[in-house]
Amino acid sequence: GQQLNQSPQSMFIQEGEDVSMNCTSSSIFNTWLWYKQDPGEGPVLLIALYKAGELTSNGRLTAQFGITRKDSFLNISASIPSDVGIYFCAGPSAGGTSYGKLTFGQGTILTVHP
Amino acid sequence: DAMVIQNPRYQVTQFGKPVTLSCSQTLNHNVMYWYQQKSSQAPKLLFHYYDKDFNNEADTPDNFQSRRPNTSFCFLDIRSPGLGDAAMYLCATSRDTHSNTPKGETQYFGPGTRLLVL
Repeated sequence: GQQLNQSPQSMFIQEGEDVSMNCTSSSIFNTWLWYKQDPGEGPVLLIALYKAGELTSNGRLTAQFGITRKDSFLNISASIPSDVGIYFCAGPSAGGTSYGKLTFGQGTILTVHP
Repeated sequence: DAMVIQNPRYQVTQFGKPVTLSCSQTLNHNVMYWYQQKSSQAPKLLFHYYDKDFNNEADTPDNFQSRRPNTSFCFLDIRSPGLGDAAMYLCATSRDTHSNTPKGETQYFGPGTRLLVL
């Protein structure tokens, strides 16, 4: 089946620093989704990307859908303590019986030191 | 605001005692999903409903069942919870699964129910 490789697995940064994480796949995705999950809560959709090459911003967050459809990155600028959490990339399967089923990356655990 | 609601947020049950988790949505989406998530792992899909059509994942244990009495509500029943079933259970919705418009496949999650099995 499709797999997403997300890196890094964890990051420890100082408040104010910029953050970058990415996801890669050996197969094509038609949609890339970036979620953030706070402890004890469900994943919250941050950015959705629907077109190869698309670059989308949401406040301090910027994400891009790779032109090959096999990768995506998420950047966070000027990090703040509330950015702490687990970030997941995800994409719906592009065909077959699992059409629409989300494949998740392994997650990036972000820790921000004040 | 349109949203996905899960109740309860925390549930404690005894080993082998049936438990039901509930999910409701005001998004009027066709599809509802149930996921299991264990610590530091990505969510794992258990099953989903497209309208009234039930779709079970091949590796979902028989111990897990689901009901969707109407568009807005979906229930997860765990018939005989074991210690290994302690986890966060997430409900999600999407407008569609098979869609010519990718936005229809985007999934929106509820806040989750944390299940503890004693």
